[in-house]
Formats: sequence, structure tokens, C-alpha cells
Amino acid sequence: DTGVSQDPRHKITKRGQNVTFRCDPISEHNRLYWYRQTLGQGPEFLTYFQNEAQLEKSRLLSDRFSAERPKGSFSTLEIQRTEQGDSAMYLCASSLQGQAYEQYFGPGTRLTVT
Amino acid sequence: DAKTTQPNSMESNEEEPVHLPCNHSTISGTDYIHWYRQLPSQGPEYVIHGLTSNVNNRMASLAIAEDRKSSTLILHRATLRDAAVYYCILRPTYQGGSEKLVFGKGMKLTVNP
Repeated sequence: DTGVSQDPRHKITKRGQNVTFRCDPISEHNRLYWYRQTLGQGPEFLTYFQNEAQLEKSRLLSDRFSAERPKGSFSTLEIQRTEQGDSAMYLCASSLQGQAYEQYFGPGTRLTVT
Repeated sequence: DAKTTQPNSMESNEEEPVHLPCNHSTISGTDYIHWYRQLPSQGPEYVIHGLTSNVNNRMASLAIAEDRKSSTLILHRATLRDAAVYYCILRPTYQGGSEKLVFGKGMKLTVNP
């Protein structure tokens, strides 16, 4: 078990471009979460999956954001027409099913929109 | 979402115990108390959780007040590696409840050598 991995670790893009991030969860975890964190703030929930089903989405997830987990394993988060306000750390986490189980976080993808 | 209140920051000395407080006066009977921490330039890391009874694990202890309106994370011997932002989070446990974590701003712990 190598933990949760995210790719890329850093991404610099120009305003208006599309970006896609990947998350590989711990293999036996059926829950996968995406969070966003800006400087000086705690992470904010974006969305989560049970296997391939997207169970909850935050109001923060505008129509420019889309997340998928097509085979219930890895997940992608795409941001279309990026804006400077999208600059943040995007964190992925995975867990077993149930509110008592801890979430394991990846190292994050830092997005800078210029 | 149930809210927690933590000091903005605390300082401790290396190899001394440190008690990190958290108030959660609006906690419901079905809320677990979770603690996570985030070291610089890393994703958050689970520390400990509990419901009613005090809990111990290899990282820390969690002391929960009898009325459950507050809790204290105890690091028995702080090390420099414990310098991090600590988050106290309430998670509902009822069937169909959201499994997201709701983070506040957390509390920055500084450990002095």
C-alpha cells in the first residue's frame, strides 16, 4: 500500500485554459473525496464518490468543475476555463465506507492560474 | 454542519506534554469527534477520533468531556515533527449522513526546541 497519490504535484496554467488532475486512492477504499485549500484556510469539501457513483457535490463545485471516477478506482478532477480564483491546493482523500473511518489524504496538486 | 472552536495558535516545548482544546457546544448525540493535523506542505493526516469515551492511540490521546461539549487532544511528549495545524472536526454518524469532513481554520501548534 503506497497511500493516496496525486498527479501532477504542481500545475501552472494561463487563465482560460482547461486543467485535469488525477487521484489514485488506496486500492481497497471505495470512498474518494476531493477538497480544495487556499492559503491560510482549512480544506473545503468539493465532492465525493462511492465507487463510481458521485454521491455529493458542494455548492463550491461550479459548472466549470467536473469530477469522474469511471471504474471506481482512480478519479479525475477537471476545471474548464480556469480563473485566477481557482488557484489553490487540490487535495484528494480516500477511505473505507462509513463516517467512523478516517480519510487518507494525498499530497495535493497545487494549481496556479496566471 | 456542526461547528467547533479552537484557539488560533499554541506554543509548546519539545518533549513536554501539550493539551490542544476544542469546544463543540452544539454537538449532537450522533457526532464523532475527529482530529486531523496538517504538516507544512502536506495533506491532512488523521490523528484520532472518539464518540464518548476517552481514546488512546500511538499518536495521541483524546479526552472527551462528560457533556461532550468540549474535548482535548493530548500529545504526551511533543516533538518538532508535531508542529502542524490541528483540526477538530465533528462527523455525523446517522444513516445517510454526509461523509465529508468540514474543516475550520484549525489551530497552529509551534514546538520550540
